[in-house]
Amino acid sequence: DQQVKQNSPSLSVQEGRISILNCDYTNSMFDYFLWYKKYPAEGPTFLISISSIKDKNEDGRFTVFLNKSAKHLSLHIVPSQPGDSAVYFCAATNAGKSTFGDGTTLTVKP
Amino acid sequence: NAGVMQNPRHLVRRRGQEARLRCSPMKGHSHVYWYRQLPEEGLKFMVYLQKENIIDESGMPKERFSAEFPKEGPSILRIQQVVRGDSAAYFCASSLNPSGDTSFYEQYFGPGTRLTVT
Repeated sequence: DQQVKQNSPSLSVQEGRISILNCDYTNSMFDYFLWYKKYPAEGPTFLISISSIKDKNEDGRFTVFLNKSAKHLSLHIVPSQPGDSAVYFCAATNAGKSTFGDGTTLTVKP
Repeated sequence: NAGVMQNPRHLVRRRGQEARLRCSPMKGHSHVYWYRQLPEEGLKFMVYLQKENIIDESGMPKERFSAEFPKEGPSILRIQQVVRGDSAAYFCASSLNPSGDTSFYEQYFGPGTRLTVT
């Protein structure tokens, strides 16, 4: 029973265009959501987060949207850059414990 | 301010041996998490520890695996009698006390230990 799902294992976009990564969850007790970025042979690094009481959080080129009724969140990157190519994990948190999705590999082509 | 440190970065063990993975959290962080990433899969939660206390070990296999975070020194993930299926990348993360501000839920990850069982 996977509580956090990233249904697209991979995504390829052109440099300068928008990248949209999606994440669905099933547990309504999750109260905080995070996106992490991971390069090969490194640990994940925190990117952006959103509390369940908000529906949008923006930080530079990165925006996270939360739709609680649909139990869906998305990460928008605009404009996308080749350096954004990495694996992106969404995570949902309850009582301090985070549950991660399986990741989406983003490739940004020059 | 050093980040989360894990050692060794690579560990090779023969079947039946013991593996010990170490994690030093970021300075000031009192909470440690261990995750396992199998090939082609995502991060799977294993255990969540505070100093001298296991908060949640619901992701730990019932046998052969144990974890500790002593008052002094690093957190240790111990795998006894390793099998080939234990081959994976093991990541440690740390955070401030997540029972406070929700921004404390952000976890800072180490570079991981890649365990290979031959």
